[in-house]
Amino acid sequence: DAGITQSPRHKVTETGTPVTLRCHQTENHRYMYWYRQDPGHGLRLIHYSYGVKDTDKGEVSDGYSVSRSKTEDFLLTLESATSSQTSVYFCAVGLAGPNEQFFGPGTRLTVL
Amino acid sequence: DQQVKQNSPSLSVQEGRISILNCDYTNSMFDYFLWYKKYPAEGPTFLISISSIKDKNEDGRFTVFLNKSAKHLSLHIVPSQPGDSAVYFCAASQYNNNDMRFGAGTRLTVKP
Repeated sequence: DAGITQSPRHKVTETGTPVTLRCHQTENHRYMYWYRQDPGHGLRLIHYSYGVKDTDKGEVSDGYSVSRSKTEDFLLTLESATSSQTSVYFCAVGLAGPNEQFFGPGTRLTVL
Repeated sequence: DQQVKQNSPSLSVQEGRISILNCDYTNSMFDYFLWYKKYPAEGPTFLISISSIKDKNEDGRFTVFLNKSAKHLSLHIVPSQPGDSAVYFCAASQYNNNDMRFGAGTRLTVKP
């Protein structure tokens, strides 16, 4: 399972509050990704990282920031959560290059 | 702008029969295609992939077919088993490009 954990697994928060989701991997993979999954949209890439302190935007990056200060941790921050950010968030790591990705168990975030 | 489309939200088949899941894409720059399977409350798991230099790739009961001229790929599962019941996502990217695009998914139900 590529040793990926996500925390928290569930979170309910209020509009306007900051939220940080954590992705932790144990196998030293270079590539890490954050996706959100919404009905009718499949998975959409938010941000990704190709090394410590190296990150870039994905398809739906507005309202999100990321940080990667250690190989094993990739943090996703919602600076001021909105109801449109209610979603299931998945972290993934890239194994054989960036194309074949393995996913964590997901975090269900509800913004009231 | 959904560049990868799975037009069938659901599919139901009898155990032992063939399941055929379809996927269409619009971006002619895509040259690497993947299928993921997702069970409830879990992250997607990689199933099978194909590059644009091939038109078929097999792995056990799973075969992916690629028709580049039609920008269409399909996943065949033979024989289908009840444990195959899950949501299947098609994904596409340019090889070694981090921007992977997913379809909205097809829910497969295999009836005993």
